[in-house]
Amino acid sequence: AQSVSQHNHHVILSEAASLELGCNYSYGGTVNLFWYVQYPGQHLQLLLKYFSGDPLVKGIKGFEAEFIKSKFSFNLRKPSVQWSDTAEYFCAVTREGSSNTGKLIFGQGTTLQVKP
Amino acid sequence: DAGVTQSPTHLIKTRGQQVTLRCSPKSGHDTVSWYQQALGQGPQFIFQYYEEEERQRGNFPDRFSGHQFPNYSSELNVNALLLGDSALYLCASSFRYNEKLFFGSGTQLSVL
Repeated sequence: AQSVSQHNHHVILSEAASLELGCNYSYGGTVNLFWYVQYPGQHLQLLLKYFSGDPLVKGIKGFEAEFIKSKFSFNLRKPSVQWSDTAEYFCAVTREGSSNTGKLIFGQGTTLQVKP
Repeated sequence: DAGVTQSPTHLIKTRGQQVTLRCSPKSGHDTVSWYQQALGQGPQFIFQYYEEEERQRGNFPDRFSGHQFPNYSSELNVNALLLGDSALYLCASSFRYNEKLFFGSGTQLSVL
């Protein structure tokens, strides 16, 4: 079965530190990749997505992610985190094809805590 | 422009009971998906509704059923509740099969 694995369950950083959150998926076919963020007390919202083209995608709030097909990875990065980036981050995958559209497979999430 | 709204926000039930959760999609959206998020886990896909029909289903038993109404709103029904059904239930909407999902804040279900 298709699965998504996020390497870090809980990450603690100081402000201005660089961030990289790992994400690997198990499906070998064509996939669409997503990072969602859930700020405290808020709903899940899309941070960035990759469907095709340039494997380096930029999202909101200075986040970016790189799709490395050979490694089945889609790691999230930010050069300098802020206290307001404290949140839960979820990597998600869908298999390409209309029958799978909207059927997101999520990782277990990474809690990021940024200390001021 | 209202986003995805879910009701109720919290619910407490006992084992064996039945529950109905409700979702109104974002304005302009016609597709609704439901997810279950257990504590400390990522959301798990339950099913998706489009044109009032269940289009896709995840690995959930038949105790989980749903419905979509002509105004695109949706209900999730769970029968014969088990302790393990305690979770946050998320509704997400989109236009057609667009994969940009908008999530609601969820309904926290506790089964005692």
